[in-house]
Amino acid sequence: GENVEQHPSTLSVQEGDSAVIKCTYSDSASNYFPWYKQELGKGPQLIIDIRSNVGEKKDQRIAVTLNKTAKHFSLHITETQPEDSAVYFCAASTSNTGKLIFGQGTTLQVKP
Amino acid sequence: EAGVTQSPTHLIKTRGQQATLRCSPISGHTSVYWYQQALGLGLQFLLWYDEGEERNRGNFPPRFSGRQFPNYSSELNVNALELEDSALYLCASSLLGGGTDTQYFGPGTRLTVL
Repeated sequence: GENVEQHPSTLSVQEGDSAVIKCTYSDSASNYFPWYKQELGKGPQLIIDIRSNVGEKKDQRIAVTLNKTAKHFSLHITETQPEDSAVYFCAASTSNTGKLIFGQGTTLQVKP
Repeated sequence: EAGVTQSPTHLIKTRGQQATLRCSPISGHTSVYWYQQALGLGLQFLLWYDEGEERNRGNFPPRFSGRQFPNYSSELNVNALELEDSALYLCASSLLGGGTDTQYFGPGTRLTVL
């Protein structure tokens, strides 16, 4: 069935370092891959997304790469700051389903 | 521009009761999605409504149901509540329907079943 695996489950970095979170999906028909950041007591907030016709997308300190052949995609955060500390979720979706399949989440801690 | 709003913020019910959760999408958005975020189970897709119709449903029993009103707001009903229904229920909306349209989430309703 549809599944998204996310690693690592926890990640601790020093302020200024880079952080990388990786996800693998099972449904080869998946064509949309968003990343969400969830802070305590809040709903998930979209930080970046990528569609299957693109291999890489960047927005300031955040970048996402997609490898459709290997069915995996990754989130890269450079120059991390304490306010980047949160739980990050990857997700995958297929056209006309309305359904986002989420990974299990990664708790990122950025130490000042 | 106002984001997705949900009410109530918290809801406490006892086992066997019914819960009703409400969601108002971003202005101009016609699709509404419901997700359950239970401890240890992550975010699970519940329902998708578009133009007043249920378009897709996740792997949840029929006691989870909902509807979408003509103004595109939505409500989620959970009947015969069970302890394991305790979770954060998140609503999202998108401008267009479907799996590849960006979904924007609300803050959620925390449902506690005692």
